[in-house]
Amino acid sequence: DAGVTQSPTHLIKTRGQHVTLRCSPISGHKSVSWYQQVLGQGPQFIFQYYEKEERGRGNFPDRFSARQFPNYSSELNVNALLLGDSALYLCASSLVGSGGRGGGETQYFGPGTRLLVL
Amino acid sequence: AQRVTQPEKLLSVFKGAPVELKCNYSYSGSPELFWYVQYSRQRLQLLLRHISRESIKGFTADLNKGETSFHLKKPFAQEEDSAMYYCALKGPGGYNKLIFGAGTRLAVHP
Repeated sequence: DAGVTQSPTHLIKTRGQHVTLRCSPISGHKSVSWYQQVLGQGPQFIFQYYEKEERGRGNFPDRFSARQFPNYSSELNVNALLLGDSALYLCASSLVGSGGRGGGETQYFGPGTRLLVL
Repeated sequence: AQRVTQPEKLLSVFKGAPVELKCNYSYSGSPELFWYVQYSRQRLQLLLRHISRESIKGFTADLNKGETSFHLKKPFAQEEDSAMYYCALKGPGGYNKLIFGAGTRLAVHP
């Protein structure tokens, strides 16, 4: 298994444009989470999806949206790009995604998509 | 508010020296804490979690609720331990949200 895969690896956009980032989870994993990592900071939670439904949302504006497909892959969409959206976008998959107690579900991260907004 | 603080951006030690990467958290309730590591040109991966009380690659971390800390320790650092280390806290809400600290870069010199 290749693990979590993300595409594209790098992307350059200009302000005001729209971007779509893609993620394929580990086979058998039904939950996908998205994180934004700005240079010099830790990853910040954006969304979690499980069984095609949004399970959680971080403190991000409505310009950010996501969806999950029947094969559990996911897309992150960002509209009206701002310079501050420049970051590494990470996708993480987990088996169920309940985040329940008694173990804390392991999240497996992809390599990320580096987005530069000019 | 839930928060994770890693006070050191960089920790530089010599091979064989003890290592302690500091992590403090703010959380009302029983926290679930993790350490993630990112080696050069590799993806972020789980190192250990407090609930498992395991030792991975010689690293251990003990949850101290009184001091709200979850420091990562290793008695004898190796050059291959050089990496970026992130402390993370599972957020509230019953879903898989992780709250990360800013990370500490560990550099182990020969």
